Amino acid sequence: QVQLVESGGGVVQPGTSLRLSCAASGFSLSSYGMHWVRQAPGKGLEWVAVISYDGSNRYYADSVKGRFTISRDNSKNTLYLQLNSLRTEDTAVYYCAKDNQGYSTNWGTYWGQGTLVTVSS
Amino acid sequence: QSALTQPASVSGSPGQSITISCTGTSSDVGSYNYVSWFQHHPGKAPKLMIYDVSNRPSGVSSRFSGSKSGNTASLTISGLQAEDETDYYCSSFTPSSTWVFGGGTKVTVL
Repeated sequence: QVQLVESGGGVVQPGTSLRLSCAASGFSLSSYGMHWVRQAPGKGLEWVAVISYDGSNRYYADSVKGRFTISRDNSKNTLYLQLNSLRTEDTAVYYCAKDNQGYSTNWGTYWGQGTLVTVSS
Repeated sequence: QSALTQPASVSGSPGQSITISCTGTSSDVGSYNYVSWFQHHPGKAPKLMIYDVSNRPSGVSSRFSGSKSGNTASLTISGLQAEDETDYYCSSFTPSSTWVFGGGTKVTVL
């Protein structure tokens, strides 16, 4: 069955970096687009980034553009999110979510359980 | 990209129907038939309920339906059940090829 498992979260200081991973199993990551979505404590969902099945299309929310990078290693069936220049407002649970095609408007049938990133001095 | 506008809360009695609105602009909701709805129980993974305005993924109850008129999309839950009590979010595709969520609506079953 499809499973997504995020890892890499933790407590970091402002201005530092972190790399999140999303390990996929039960399907071939190379055929599907993937998204990152986050939820800050007590707040709503915020879309972060998307990458197409082959990595040729990548888009970011304005709030993270230039600081975060989405990438994938299809040989490892793993999605990544590199978080640089972290700010306190980046504190959130980060979820990865699967597209139902290579790059479509039908996404979010499968999600991971999330990994918590806390940015604090 | 500004967040879509949803009511903070909507309530109804068991068996009733409720509708959650999601208002965007002519650039996002009004321009594309690419609105999704997610159900989110706090602490759990979100669940896709509707995609492309009105399409229901396999396994989602037919009590959930979606529609759109102009810049406003709507999610209707008919035959409201206790298990429907949680948070709901809309999301729309944007001209930047990104997505934007609404602020979320808490559904309460009275």
